[in-house]
Amino acid sequence: QKEVEQDPGPLSVPEGAIVSLNCTYSNSAFQYFMWYRQYSRKGPELLMYTYSSGNKEDGRFTAQVDKSSKYISLFIRDSQPSDSATYLCAMSEGLSGNTPLVFGKGTRLSVIA
Amino acid sequence: DSGVTQTPKHLITATGQRVTLRCSPRSGDLSVYWYQQSLDQGLQFLIQYYNGEERAKGNILERFSAQQFPDLHSELNLSSLELGDSALYFCASSVGRRGAEAFFGQGTRLTVV
Repeated sequence: QKEVEQDPGPLSVPEGAIVSLNCTYSNSAFQYFMWYRQYSRKGPELLMYTYSSGNKEDGRFTAQVDKSSKYISLFIRDSQPSDSATYLCAMSEGLSGNTPLVFGKGTRLSVIA
Repeated sequence: DSGVTQTPKHLITATGQRVTLRCSPRSGDLSVYWYQQSLDQGLQFLIQYYNGEERAKGNILERFSAQQFPDLHSELNLSSLELGDSALYFCASSVGRRGAEAFFGQGTRLTVV
């Protein structure tokens, strides 16, 4: 079993829809959870960063972490065509140099106008 | 624009050859990270340097090596190239040693034929 599992999609939604993206993981030592957005032919950019369990909101984006279920989610409200991208979850055991990020394979999202 | 510069953007080479990928981190960033992104494996951490010293090693093959120079730019050397090495190679940089706070470059697309 891979350490981080993420449904590759593709996921296609109409503009204005609420999007739910998810990852599951197997390593209970993960404490830091990130979501990245990657546009075609670009590098990943950090969207959200949470520590341990709980919710974090930033504008139209909400990240949720459920450590008991080893499950993290990213919700996008009022989705826009500009949100069309691949979304990668990532996690690590700590923030020091010897605890590198482990990424999911990414979910490709298309928001249709 | 993340401020991380990678050259070249594209590289096509034959099996058995050696190539060098270059990364200039954001101004002031001391850490450089290298990642490989392929369709089947996703984004995988290769290696991290901090202020010229190797800090963490991931799934980096013995045929691959990297270094960070006194001016903080970094090079990733890939030798005895195989078809399976074809991938996107990303460099990321951060001020400290926290990979979660790194900014990614636009990547080098390597095609081995």
